[in-house]
Amino acid sequence: AQRVTQPEKLLSVFKGAPVELKCNYSYSGSPELFWYVQYSRQRLQLLLRHISRESIKGFTADLNKGETSFHLKKPFAQEEDSAMYYCALGTSYGKLTFGQGTILTVHP
Amino acid sequence: DTAVSQTPKYLVTQMGNDKSIKCEQNLGHDTMYWYKQDSKKFLKIMFSYNNKELIINETVPNRFSPKSPDKAHLNLHINSLELGDSAVYFCASSQDRLSPGGPNYGYTFGSGTRLTVV
Repeated sequence: AQRVTQPEKLLSVFKGAPVELKCNYSYSGSPELFWYVQYSRQRLQLLLRHISRESIKGFTADLNKGETSFHLKKPFAQEEDSAMYYCALGTSYGKLTFGQGTILTVHP
Repeated sequence: DTAVSQTPKYLVTQMGNDKSIKCEQNLGHDTMYWYKQDSKKFLKIMFSYNNKELIINETVPNRFSPKSPDKAHLNLHINSLELGDSAVYFCASSQDRLSPGGPNYGYTFGSGTRLTVV
């Protein structure tokens, strides 16, 4: 069975500091991993997908199959990055298994 | 235009009542989902429909019954509501459910329905 773990429920950093949101997964198949973000009073939206190897809003995430991790990183956090972040694992049935979420707060 | 819309946004009801939440998407997607977000913000899939056909049915009490009159709509009916049903229910849709690595895989979410059972 697939499983996604985000060990930090809360993460606080100061503006301009680097930030890393941790995500570990467990899956017997070939993993497809995503990061979703939910800003205050807004709906969940896709931030990153590992297959795209893209950088969105300065965030990047690298899939490390050896460590079964997909940590989300940004070198310089901004106040507008404050939000709930979910790591998710996708399967071929369209099912996304979400982690518990991490609330990121960026202080001025 | 809202891509995935849910109604109502808030729902407060008494134990034992029956209620429905509606979801509509105008994206032309074939697959729709219901997720439950509990008080700890944990998101867990409940159901998935593809072209009106049920394809994912996680361990959910029989009191929950999804209905898909067409591929643009997926409603959730809940019978005999219990206190533990209080949560935020999210509807979502996706264009491609078979290729997790493809460009069209991934969800578009609705804004959620906050259900409070008292």
